[in-house]
Amino acid sequence: QVQLVQSGAEVKKPGSSVKVSCKASGGTFSSYAISWVRQAPGQGLEWMGGIIPMFGTANYAQKFQGRVTITADESTSTAYMELSSLRSEDTAFYYCARDTIAVASFDHWGQGTLVTVSS
Amino acid sequence: QSALTQPASVSGSPGQSITISCSGTSSDVGSYNLVSWYQQHPGKAPKLMIYEVSKRPSGVSNRFSGSKSGNTASLTISGLQAEDEADYYCCSYAGSSTFGRVFGTGTKVTVL
Repeated sequence: QVQLVQSGAEVKKPGSSVKVSCKASGGTFSSYAISWVRQAPGQGLEWMGGIIPMFGTANYAQKFQGRVTITADESTSTAYMELSSLRSEDTAFYYCARDTIAVASFDHWGQGTLVTVSS
Repeated sequence: QSALTQPASVSGSPGQSITISCSGTSSDVGSYNLVSWYQQHPGKAPKLMIYEVSKRPSGVSNRFSGSKSGNTASLTISGLQAEDEADYYCCSYAGSSTFGRVFGTGTKVTVL
């Protein structure tokens, strides 16, 4: 079955960057998209952006344009999300999710990665 | 893109039916039959419950159903059970790009 396994928790200083990985198994990595969704403590879900590994081009939510970079490595079936210029408000769980674009839904999710931004 | 609007909380007794609304605009919910719903238990990743407004993925109970009218989508849980207590989020395609998505504000469902 499809599994998405994310990298471990991170603690970062304000102004720095973080890169979270998401390794897929059990499916055809290139045939689907991967989206990233974040959730601040006690808050709702927020779509950040996504990528279709087969094409390599990413789309981002306007809010994160210029600060987020989503990439994918087909050879290792791994997607990455890098967020720069971190601030305390970026403290959140970051989830990757398999994105079936045709029906615009996220059918499999990673376990989440907690990123804490603190001086 | 503004978040879709959901009630903060909905509650019901075991066996009852409850409905969660998800209000959007003519640019998202109203324009596309691409609304999905997610269940999230505390400390867990979200789980897909409904896609394309009313379709259930394999393994999801038929007690969960979805619908849409105009700019508002709805999730109904019938025969409410203790395990249904969780947060629920709607999500809609919002155009503008291949991916463009917007989530709802989330609803806490409490089983009394």
